[in-house]
Amino acid sequence: KNEVEQSPQNLTAQEGEFITINCSYSVGISALHWLQQHPGGGIVSLFMLSSGKKKHGRLIATINIQEKHSSLHITASHPRDSAVYICAAVSGGSNYKLTFGKGTLLTVNP
Amino acid sequence: DTGVSQDPRHKITKRGQNVTFRCDPISEHNRLYWYRQTLGQGPEFLTYFQNEAQLEKSRLLSDRFSAERPKGSFSTLEIQRTEQGDSAMYLCASSRGGGTYNSPLHFGNGTRLTVT
Repeated sequence: KNEVEQSPQNLTAQEGEFITINCSYSVGISALHWLQQHPGGGIVSLFMLSSGKKKHGRLIATINIQEKHSSLHITASHPRDSAVYICAAVSGGSNYKLTFGKGTLLTVNP
Repeated sequence: DTGVSQDPRHKITKRGQNVTFRCDPISEHNRLYWYRQTLGQGPEFLTYFQNEAQLEKSRLLSDRFSAERPKGSFSTLEIQRTEQGDSAMYLCASSRGGGTYNSPLHFGNGTRLTVT
């Protein structure tokens, strides 16, 4: 069983819909990353958070340390948001080692 | 800031050959990471450098794999006697860190290796 679990694995939405991607982890962490990966491989870090909530444009990330759960929300989704979204937990015993989820493939249709 | 660059983008090689990949991190980043990603999976940690010191290696990194970061700047990852199971995307990332602090990671676009 992977220490970082994401749901759903695949998500299809219509443009404009509100999107939620969930991430649960079983390890103790010091921080959690949300990453975006487009076809071709490049990964972009969207957020790094260790508590509470962060917002950047139409993206919102929340984390509940007690429940070991994080969510990534996309408001007013757009076809250009189509990508794989990956959460990665920074192991509590280090401040650099990431354990990745398998990713959520998001497709936003016009 | 030109970001993290990796070379080559794609490499096709025959089983048994040696391959070497290069990663140039963001210049002020002291930490450098190698990850491997197979189709449909999230990246898996391979190894980590702080400056020129290789501080951690995953058990995934068999004796055929070696990584270096000789001057604390660029890094190379070499795979000797490649096997078909080595086919994957090899991702490099860098960050700035020290003590309990680590900045967000910046990833390169990866090197896709295909072993035939």
